[in-house]
Amino acid sequence: DIVMTQSPLSLPVTPGEPASISCRSSQSLLHSNGYNFLDWYLQKPGQSPQLLIYLGSNRASGVPDRFSASGSGTDFSLQISSVEPEDVGVYFCMQSLLTPYTFGQGTKLEMK
Amino acid sequence: EVHLVESGGGVVKPGGSLRLACAASGFTFSNSWISWVRQAPGKGLDWVGLIRDKPDGGATDYAATVKGRFTISRDDSANTVYLQMNSLETEDTAIYYCTTASVLTIGVSVPFGFDSWGPGTLVTVSS
Repeated sequence: DIVMTQSPLSLPVTPGEPASISCRSSQSLLHSNGYNFLDWYLQKPGQSPQLLIYLGSNRASGVPDRFSASGSGTDFSLQISSVEPEDVGVYFCMQSLLTPYTFGQGTKLEMK
Repeated sequence: EVHLVESGGGVVKPGGSLRLACAASGFTFSNSWISWVRQAPGKGLDWVGLIRDKPDGGATDYAATVKGRFTISRDDSANTVYLQMNSLETEDTAIYYCTTASVLTIGVSVPFGFDSWGPGTLVTVSS
């Protein structure tokens, strides 16, 4: 199985400051079709997860442009340019290149 | 607007069975791939399984932890996907979510971006 490792697991952030989360996979997520099968999700407190980023770097519909993502192969990152209070929650990366699809452990973002 | 609603959760004894349903609306259900993801209390997300659409054979895949015990099926006439769970274990206690997956087809079809999620249904396995 592909193992997904996120860091940090806890991320205290001051509103208005930037934030970054890393996600590493145990094998490359780059398909022969040229796409990285890596997504990012946010689970706000008491809610279902929501898709933020798909195929490595594409913002999902309705996601604010303060969210961006980059990376390829085994190293990926999610950046928030200026954290807002509503960004609080747990961020997960997930690979869908190979079954079983696997999630990272989650990174809990909280306000300082 | 895409809408997914899970139902069928509850309390069951170890070794028992439960069938969850995921009712969908707001999109062309018959062309969709649907996945189940679960979350144990206070834990992270855990992929359970996937069912492809009929053009892709309606094939299924499962996590190793549930393979042979859980079965995903679909009824396109009712816009519903089912998760039949047998031989339940205490470790299966979780909120179960159904999600839609986008699919990229370049030669082969690969899912990505679980873009819509239901509110989830809680399954508790306890004696």
